[in-house]
Amino acid sequence: GQQLNQSPQSMFIQEGEDVSMNCTSSSIFNTWLWYKQDPGEGPVLLIALYKAGELTSNGRLTAQFGITRKDSFLNISASIPSDVGIYFCAGRLNTGNQFYFGTGTSLTVIP
Amino acid sequence: EPEVTQTPSHQVTQMGQEVILRCVPISNHLYFYWYRQILGQKVEFLVSFYNNEISEKSEIFDDQFSVERPDGSNFTLKIRSTKLEDSAMYFCASMQTSQGYEQYFGPGTRLTVT
Repeated sequence: GQQLNQSPQSMFIQEGEDVSMNCTSSSIFNTWLWYKQDPGEGPVLLIALYKAGELTSNGRLTAQFGITRKDSFLNISASIPSDVGIYFCAGRLNTGNQFYFGTGTSLTVIP
Repeated sequence: EPEVTQTPSHQVTQMGQEVILRCVPISNHLYFYWYRQILGQKVEFLVSFYNNEISEKSEIFDDQFSVERPDGSNFTLKIRSTKLEDSAMYFCASMQTSQGYEQYFGPGTRLTVT
């Protein structure tokens, strides 16, 4: 299957700081999704991206579809304690409707 | 707001037994999925279902697994002859492609095989 690598693997930041994380693949994707998962719960969709170079925001979250179509980025501005969780990227190839998930970035926000 | 629901939230079964996990996708969605997440690991694709048949499946989805849409609302995953390594969270997801490829997940079923 496809390998999507996320970095960093984990982050410890102070409340109020901005956060950046990314997701890279060796394959070209047509769709990128970003999810947040809290312990014991299902992933919650944050942002969907469909075009190379696209920049989309959802509140304090901004995600970008990389121009090479092999990567995507998620930024969180002015982090708050409820941002704590694991953030996953997911990509869809040009063919089919299967999504491949990244390895996840664990975010800890220190009040 | 419409959401994907799953039952039960937690299932404990003995090795070798069969389990059925149930999902009710969002009502106007056309694509349905099952994923597995072993504790502390990433979400793994099992199978996708469209137009009453399997659309894609991963190498994990072998003869031990089957899916069914028995009526207009439910989507089930059957695991036959469960093994210890089947213990995981199982997530159902659904997607409506007419307005993009936004895939929504249910809360999951925690399967524990003893």
